[in-house]
Amino acid sequence: QQQVKQSPQSLIVQKGGISIINCAYENTAFDYFPWYQQFPGKGPALLIAIRPDVSEKKEGRFTISFNKSAKQFSLHIMDSQPGDSATYFCAASNANTPLVFGKGTRLSVIA
Amino acid sequence: KAGVTQTPRYLIKTRGQQVTLSCSPISGHRSVSWYQQTPGQGLQFLFEYFSETQRNKGNFPGRFSGRQFSNSRSEMNVSTLELGDSALYLCASSLKDISINEKLFFGSGTQLSVL
Repeated sequence: QQQVKQSPQSLIVQKGGISIINCAYENTAFDYFPWYQQFPGKGPALLIAIRPDVSEKKEGRFTISFNKSAKQFSLHIMDSQPGDSATYFCAASNANTPLVFGKGTRLSVIA
Repeated sequence: KAGVTQTPRYLIKTRGQQVTLSCSPISGHRSVSWYQQTPGQGLQFLFEYFSETQRNKGNFPGRFSGRQFSNSRSEMNVSTLELGDSALYLCASSLKDISINEKLFFGSGTQLSVL
């Protein structure tokens, strides 16, 4: 049973555009929602994370939007750049469970 | 400060063999967790060790095992390899127990190919 569903699988965005990746979770006990970024040949690296007491968190060009009632959260990348081309994973956990990851979104930003 | 180091980087084995992968966490980190990454399934949790004790275990068969040493270094072992075990195996470390939502620092992984 997949606890975190991520979409789309792949995404192509023009340079300067907005990239949006969505995730939905099932376990209402989850209380930590990070996004990880992975470049080819490297392990994932934490990009940004949110807890359910806030609806939005912004760090530079990256924003997480969180909808607790819909059990959904999304990553927005503003002014997308070719250097943002990577695979993005959403994840969720709580104090009793390790991180459960979505299946990933391969983002390509083209000039 | 050195990052998480995984060895070897690449490994080729045949069905039925066993394999041991090694992970050295960031200095001072006491928690080590292991994930299997495949194109179809994404990252799937294998197990987590904290202060030499297995704290959590994912839904993998008993052929997958691990351990952590007193210096926090960790090894995972896969016995009787199957073709489906071909994957990137990632190790991640954190300062404290990952059950309190600590940031995970991943290594670059060991790419295992089973022929």
